[in-house]
Amino acid sequence: AQKVTQAQTEISVVEKEDVTLDCVYETRDTTYYLFWYKQPPSGELVFLIRRNSFDEQNEISGRYSWNFQKSTSSFNFTITASQVVDSAVYFCALRSGDDKIIFGKGTRLHILP
Amino acid sequence: EAQVTQNPRYLITVTGKKLTVTCSQNMNHEYMSWYRQDPGLGLRQIYYSMNVEVTDKGDVPEGYKVSRKEKRNFPLILESPSPNQTSLYFCASSLGSFGFGRSLNNEQYFGPGTRLTVT
Repeated sequence: AQKVTQAQTEISVVEKEDVTLDCVYETRDTTYYLFWYKQPPSGELVFLIRRNSFDEQNEISGRYSWNFQKSTSSFNFTITASQVVDSAVYFCALRSGDDKIIFGKGTRLHILP
Repeated sequence: EAQVTQNPRYLITVTGKKLTVTCSQNMNHEYMSWYRQDPGLGLRQIYYSMNVEVTDKGDVPEGYKVSRKEKRNFPLILESPSPNQTSLYFCASSLGSFGFGRSLNNEQYFGPGTRLTVT
């Protein structure tokens, strides 16, 4: 069975601190895709990244970085030098062989000024 | 402008009164899906479609129907809504197959959401 676990329900950090959001997934498929989405207080869902199972290289985009490790079935997301605008709910998701997409329950991130 | 549109954005209805939430995308995407979002449960997939006339159940399909007669449209139908279907609904679209290229720009597009209340 496929599963995505975001163990951190809610995190609060002070602005400019670094913060890492954890995502652990389960799948029996060898080919799959992992995603991160952001849902700001306004409610829309914003795509951040897609990673396929054959590409374990880390990715960096500005203050955002992602660490994909198949050995631990994790796809963690780090925000460096956090800003108040990063306050949102962040979702990790998995799409594997049957094309279903499973989302984690999300991590609510509060960046305190 | 690339977008996914949903209508209506807000709907209050009564138990048992059939309703349809429309979803349309202008990106010629093969894959479309519906999700519901409930507090503490994240997003759960209701149905998805890999292409015209191809639909499959997600994790929570009970009480819902979908159709994919055209590539751009993927309506969600509630034949007999019940209060436990009160939720925030999102439609989404993407390419059917991502291949193995690395790209931060290969986006998954979501609609703005439909807040449904069933009394």
